[in-house]
Amino acid sequence: AQSVTQPDIHITVSEGASLELRCNYSYGATPYLFWYVQSPGQGLQLLLKYFSGDTLVQGIKGFEAEFKRSQSSFNLRKPSVHWSDAAEYFCAVAHGGATNKLIFGTGTLLAVQP
Amino acid sequence: EAQVTQNPRYLITVTGKKLTVTCSQNMNHEYMSWYRQDPGLGLRQIYYSMNVEVTDKGDVPEGYKVSRKEKRNFPLILESPSPNQTSLYFCASSLSLGVRETQYFGPGTRLLVL
Repeated sequence: AQSVTQPDIHITVSEGASLELRCNYSYGATPYLFWYVQSPGQGLQLLLKYFSGDTLVQGIKGFEAEFKRSQSSFNLRKPSVHWSDAAEYFCAVAHGGATNKLIFGTGTLLAVQP
Repeated sequence: EAQVTQNPRYLITVTGKKLTVTCSQNMNHEYMSWYRQDPGLGLRQIYYSMNVEVTDKGDVPEGYKVSRKEKRNFPLILESPSPNQTSLYFCASSLSLGVRETQYFGPGTRLLVL
């Protein structure tokens, strides 16, 4: 069965530091991968997605993610974190088929220190 | 503005008192779904709908009902809520069924069942 693992429940970084959030997936075929961000009191906003092609994907707000098939990973990165990036981040894989559901990881809560 | 709206945003109720959470989208999307978000579990799909009058169960449908009488609306009904349905609920929509379609999420409804 498809699954997504986000090993880090909580991460704290200093403002201006680089960030990498880990995501590992289990999927038999070519995965369709997403990163969403949930700011406090807000819904989920799509940061970026990967379907095929270039394995380095650029998203909004200065985020990027790299798909590595050999490691079954789709890690999210940002070179310099801003205080407004404090939020919860979810990695997801598309299940496809009739349900069209997204299978989410358990999320990583990012805190940004001044 | 293209958006998915949910009402109410916050709800406290008692066991057994029927309630409805509304979801509406203004993007003429065919596909809609409901998720619940619980700590440590990520988001799990409750029900989905591929079009008007077409609905089906997701991963955790017990205790919930839905209807899709109009394309824009997809209400979630809890006929006899129980405390284990205390959760954060998200409605999502996409233009059509398909893994490449971006799913747009509402702001969430936080439900507490006493």
